Amino acid sequence: AQTVTQSQPEMSVQEAETVTLSCTYDTSENNYYLFWYKQPPSRQMILVIRQEAYKQQNATENRFSVNFQKAAKSFSLKISDSQLGDTAMYFCAFPFNQAGTALIFGKGTTLSVSS
Amino acid sequence: GAGVSQSPRYKVAKRGQDVALRCDPISGHVSLFWYQQALGQGPEFLTYFQNEAQLDKSGLPSDRFFAERPEGSVSTLKIQRTQQEDSAVYLCASSLRRTGNAEAFFGQGTRLTVV
Repeated sequence: AQTVTQSQPEMSVQEAETVTLSCTYDTSENNYYLFWYKQPPSRQMILVIRQEAYKQQNATENRFSVNFQKAAKSFSLKISDSQLGDTAMYFCAFPFNQAGTALIFGKGTTLSVSS
Repeated sequence: GAGVSQSPRYKVAKRGQDVALRCDPISGHVSLFWYQQALGQGPEFLTYFQNEAQLDKSGLPSDRFFAERPEGSVSTLKIQRTQQEDSAVYLCASSLRRTGNAEAFFGQGTRLTVV
């Protein structure tokens, strides 16, 4: 069965610091995508970053980057130069069936950024 | 519209009442998904449409839940005889391509409270 585990329910960081959110997953698929979504208090899920499993290079989007370890099935999100607007719940997700028609999400990590 | 729109934003229903939740996806998006998100948890997949065809409804928790997308655009999630365990945020998402590996754009959700 496909599973996604986020082991850090809550994390806190000061502005301008760097924080890493962890995610491990289990799948029997070989080619797949992995996603990190952000959900602020407004509830709207926003895609932060996406990684293709067959690409060895880690994805980067401005202050956000991933550390993808395919053999270990680990997909962590690093946020550099944290900003107050990064305060949100963060979810790791990937398609849970071969057709990729739906995502399975972790339980999320609540990140609080303070000044 | 520019994004996925869901209505109503909030719904309070008495136990046993029927409810209908509406989702207006981004124009031209082929795929549409419904998710259920309990408080403090990650979203859980309910059902998937490709245009007007409901290709996957494996996540619907009971036969009280029914979803439709008759013209391949607007979708409605209906819950009959609501129960307290149905209280959750219901998220709708759409994506441009046919596979779930494409970026999914989420609406702000409908928070359903059954009293």
